Amino acid sequence: DIVMTQSPDSLAVSLGERATINCKSSQSVLYSPNNKNYLAWYQQKPGQPPKRLIYWASTRESGVPDRFSGSGSGTDFTLTISSLQAEDVAVYYCQQYYSTALTFGGGTKVEIK
Amino acid sequence: EVQLVESGGGLVKPGGSLRLSCTASAFTLSDAWMNWVRQVPGKGLEWVGRIKSKTDGGTTDYAAPVKGRFTISRDDSENTLFLQMSSLKTEDTAVYYCHSGRSWGQGTLVTVSS
Repeated sequence: DIVMTQSPDSLAVSLGERATINCKSSQSVLYSPNNKNYLAWYQQKPGQPPKRLIYWASTRESGVPDRFSGSGSGTDFTLTISSLQAEDVAVYYCQQYYSTALTFGGGTKVEIK
Repeated sequence: EVQLVESGGGLVKPGGSLRLSCTASAFTLSDAWMNWVRQVPGKGLEWVGRIKSKTDGGTTDYAAPVKGRFTISRDDSENTLFLQMSSLKTEDTAVYYCHSGRSWGQGTLVTVSS
């Protein structure tokens, strides 16, 4: 299985500041024939299911604020929240859907400093 | 709007069985690759297994910890996905979600305890 490693495990950021979460896969999730990275980012708040924010590594879901952006390719990916808002407090997960077995990162808890 | 609703969770003794259901609205389950994902409360997300769309053969794949014990199936006439769980272990205790793409159900809690 592809192992997804997220860092940091948690971070505290001041309101309006930038939050950066990293995700590294144990093997490339870039499918060369279509040049797409099979990588998604999810946000999960307590008591709720995950909500997909980003897919294909950098495509934002409809309705997701543009302060959320995804970047990276191959094995290294980043989720950036450009200006943290109070409602962004949550746990964030990366997920690869390149292989048969979906795998998730361990999660990054984002809090307000 | 696509809605997925899981049901069937509850308390079961180790070694027991349980069947979870996931019913869809505004969405045809047989057109999608449907996954079951579980989450121990307070912990991370773990993929359980998947059934491919009807056009892609409807075959299933499972995570190693549940292979041979869990079975995913679908009733296309009822637009419902199932997860049949048997030989349950305490470590199977989790919230179970059905999921495809951007869509997730609210989850159903399975507790395996004597």
